[in-house]
Amino acid sequence: DGGITQSPKYLFRKEGQNVTLSCEQNLNHDAMYWYRQDPGQGLRLIYYSQIVNDFQKGDIAEGYSVSREKKESFPLTVTSAQKNPTAFYLCASSWTPYNEQFFGPGTRLTVL
Amino acid sequence: AQSVTQLDSQVPVFEEAPVELRCNYSSSVSVYLFWYVQYPNQGLQLLLKYLSGSTLVESINGFEAEFNKSQTSFHLRKPSVHISDTAEYFCAVSAPTTNAGGTSYGKLTFGQGTILTVHP
Repeated sequence: DGGITQSPKYLFRKEGQNVTLSCEQNLNHDAMYWYRQDPGQGLRLIYYSQIVNDFQKGDIAEGYSVSREKKESFPLTVTSAQKNPTAFYLCASSWTPYNEQFFGPGTRLTVL
Repeated sequence: AQSVTQLDSQVPVFEEAPVELRCNYSSSVSVYLFWYVQYPNQGLQLLLKYLSGSTLVESINGFEAEFNKSQTSFHLRKPSVHISDTAEYFCAVSAPTTNAGGTSYGKLTFGQGTILTVHP
């Protein structure tokens, strides 16, 4: 089955710790994205990558980092510099930037 | 920069009633348009899309949207809703940008979402 997987589904971390969210796709898509979703604020783009070994900041990149070493993988690290990391995080991929995006099931991060 | 406005943050409606979720975008040139649906604690699923051709596009579960270039709108409609349609709906747009390399379509910009609640 082709699709996007995100793990874990729920994640808890203590304040001051870095944490990495996983995103894997087997759709052979070139472009991948990370979004943050908070109630009433829609989707906000954190980072995106159009090709392996290249990525660009989105609208709210501060306190986050990414890597794109493999076409199928685009992990997101939430660093201790992120002031308010508790949120629902969504990963997506697409053939090209303007094609429809396919979304993973999301990871809900809670900072204790 | 392109922008998308979903005019209603929440739309309550009774079961079997018609519904319209409104979406306007800012670009004055040809665009690609999308509607997504999100059920609680899940990712987004593509509902329908407009790339070119017929301005009326339909989904498999009874939703339809009409591209109106003069009004820069892409409203989503359903003639009779079900309880199971309760979800959040997002409109998205991709508009062309021109630089030294030519014209290309950019990544999607999403609206703020409309929560549709269907009451029995």
